[in-house]
Amino acid sequence: DAGVIQSPRHEVTEMGQEVTLRCKPISGHDYLFWYRQTMMRGLELLIYFNNNVPIDDSGMPEDRFSAKMPNASFSTLKIQPSEPRDSAVYFCASSLVGAATNEKLFFGSGTQLSVL
Amino acid sequence: QKEVEQNSGPLSVPEGAIASLNCTYSDRGSQSFFWYRQYSGKSPELIMSIYSNGDKEDGRFTAQLNKASQYVSLLIRDSQPSDSATYLCALHQGAQKLVFGQGTRLTINP
Repeated sequence: DAGVIQSPRHEVTEMGQEVTLRCKPISGHDYLFWYRQTMMRGLELLIYFNNNVPIDDSGMPEDRFSAKMPNASFSTLKIQPSEPRDSAVYFCASSLVGAATNEKLFFGSGTQLSVL
Repeated sequence: QKEVEQNSGPLSVPEGAIASLNCTYSDRGSQSFFWYRQYSGKSPELIMSIYSNGDKEDGRFTAQLNKASQYVSLLIRDSQPSDSATYLCALHQGAQKLVFGQGTRLTINP
């Protein structure tokens, strides 16, 4: 399996622009997680899906952030409008049963977002 | 108090010595604990999980859990330069939500 695939690897944009991050989970995995990592706050869970349905979005910082999972093989995280404080590495991860069980999270390579 | 606390380091250990990484947590209801390793510029990867009080060994790695004192630790024996990375402690909070600490940066000096 190719693992969790994220695109783009790097994104540089200007404040106010819309940013869309993409994720393809491992085939057969039914949980998908979006995390954000910064030096100040570490790795934070933004939202997770089970069988394409959003289960917990309490970590989404503001209404400017939205996430969708239209099918089992694709998810997007959108920021509109983007702000410099959104600059971070955004990770997508998937698992077969869920983070709370013995099944581990498989992380994608991440998207390094810089908002100027 | 943060949900998961780790000393950010850096922790410097000579090659061949034992590296000891510690983590404390605030939620007494937490049942599952994990250690992830993250190399610079890479994504986190799971190296150990522990669910019961006591020690769990896997090769050069030993995870230790003490629920009464609310801490979990990771020991790395015979440290190698390839062990140099950031180590993230994590626990599950509620159903399926994995919460991470800030991570401890470990450097193994040859």
